[in-house]
Amino acid sequence: TQLLEQSPQFLSIQEGENLTVYCNSSSVFSSLQWYRQEPGEGPVLLVTVVTGGEVKKLKRLTFQFGDARKDSSLHITAAQPGDTGLYLCAGPQDSNYQLIWGAGTKLIIKP
Amino acid sequence: DTAVSQTPKYLVTQMGNDKSIKCEQNLGHDTMYWYKQDSKKFLKIMFSYNNKELIINETVPNRFSPKSPDKAHLNLHINSLELGDSAVYFCASSPPPAFDPLYNEQFFGPGTRLTVL
Repeated sequence: TQLLEQSPQFLSIQEGENLTVYCNSSSVFSSLQWYRQEPGEGPVLLVTVVTGGEVKKLKRLTFQFGDARKDSSLHITAAQPGDTGLYLCAGPQDSNYQLIWGAGTKLIIKP
Repeated sequence: DTAVSQTPKYLVTQMGNDKSIKCEQNLGHDTMYWYKQDSKKFLKIMFSYNNKELIINETVPNRFSPKSPDKAHLNLHINSLELGDSAVYFCASSPPPAFDPLYNEQFFGPGTRLTVL
């Protein structure tokens, strides 16, 4: 069974600090997606990483896919209160391509 | 223009009642989903429909019955509501996962917060 584990579960930091959250698995994934869910809303896709070692940047957010395609990280530089939300990683199952979801990292950025 | 919409946004009801949540998508997607997100924010797939046909039915009590009248709609009916059904329910849609498995993005509705008293 393919599983995705996210860490930390919860992170609360001050505005302006940097942070990294992780999405790990013992299984290889063909791709991983990162979604952000703001309070009272549904998750929204931020990025998809496909190639081992790939790095994608979205303004202050940097996403990396591990070389072995078993893990991914999200690094936020100079966090802003607008970055507050639940960050979810998801990847397609090999058997039927349905998305498997991690449990998420709840991020709070204090002004 | 709302891509995936759900009604109602909030639903408060008594134990034992029957209720429905409606979902509509205007993205032209063939695949639609129902998810349950509990108080710990874990997002759990309940059902997946492709072109009005059920393709995933996770371990969900048979009190939950999805209905897809057409490709753009997937409603969720819940019978004999229990306290443990309290959660946020999300509808989502996507192209068929097998169509582009690497980049298959799911589009979510705003959620329906169900509270069972």
